[in-house]
Amino acid sequence: RKEVEQDPGPFNVPEGATVAFNCTYSNSASQSFFWYRQDCRKEPKLLMSVYSSGNEDGRFTAQLNRASQYISLLIRDSKLSDSATYLCVVNLYNQGGKLIFGQGTELSVKP
Amino acid sequence: GAVVSQHPSRVICKSGTSVKIECRSLDFQATTMFWYRQFPKQSLMLMATSNEGSKATYEQGVEKDKFLINHASLTLSTLTVTSAHPEDSSFYICSARRRDRDVLGGYTFGSGTRLTVV
Repeated sequence: RKEVEQDPGPFNVPEGATVAFNCTYSNSASQSFFWYRQDCRKEPKLLMSVYSSGNEDGRFTAQLNRASQYISLLIRDSKLSDSATYLCVVNLYNQGGKLIFGQGTELSVKP
Repeated sequence: GAVVSQHPSRVICKSGTSVKIECRSLDFQATTMFWYRQFPKQSLMLMATSNEGSKATYEQGVEKDKFLINHASLTLSTLTVTSAHPEDSSFYICSARRRDRDVLGGYTFGSGTRLTVV
């Protein structure tokens, strides 16, 4: 079983749509959680951290359920510029703070 | 903000040769450097973790004699792919953790190196 699993994708949505990505992780020792965005052939960039209480940053909302070991990302009012691969990432604090990446979910927003 | 400069961004080499990739933290001290590899349509896979002044810790299945990591200073870490073969062709990327941050945050990624072995 992969340590971090995500929806397979790709997601093809029209502009303005709301899209949700899911992620599960297997290591209960995971301490912190993130969503990264990666554009084609570029390095990943931090989109947002994910907190237990849920957090929002503009059109982006992240949720964490530690009991279910489940993380989600909701994007409202999708823009063309949101097209990218979204990576679910967990930090293994007890392993020197290693970041473990999910395989990513590709999003394509069409006009 | 924190910047990690990674070079080269792209390299093509012949099979059997060695390639060195450098990551420099430009405006902060990086106590820990993580090296990742990403094959097309796959996620970033952690290869090894290096702490300044000590030997790197390699993930299972990664050959330490093939992927030599040096982290001699708080601002420079290098990855050398020795005797490269076509199957080593991949996107290699480093990630530095800042000295002034704990293990829960403060990661900065290099821009990646696309290696093609012919």
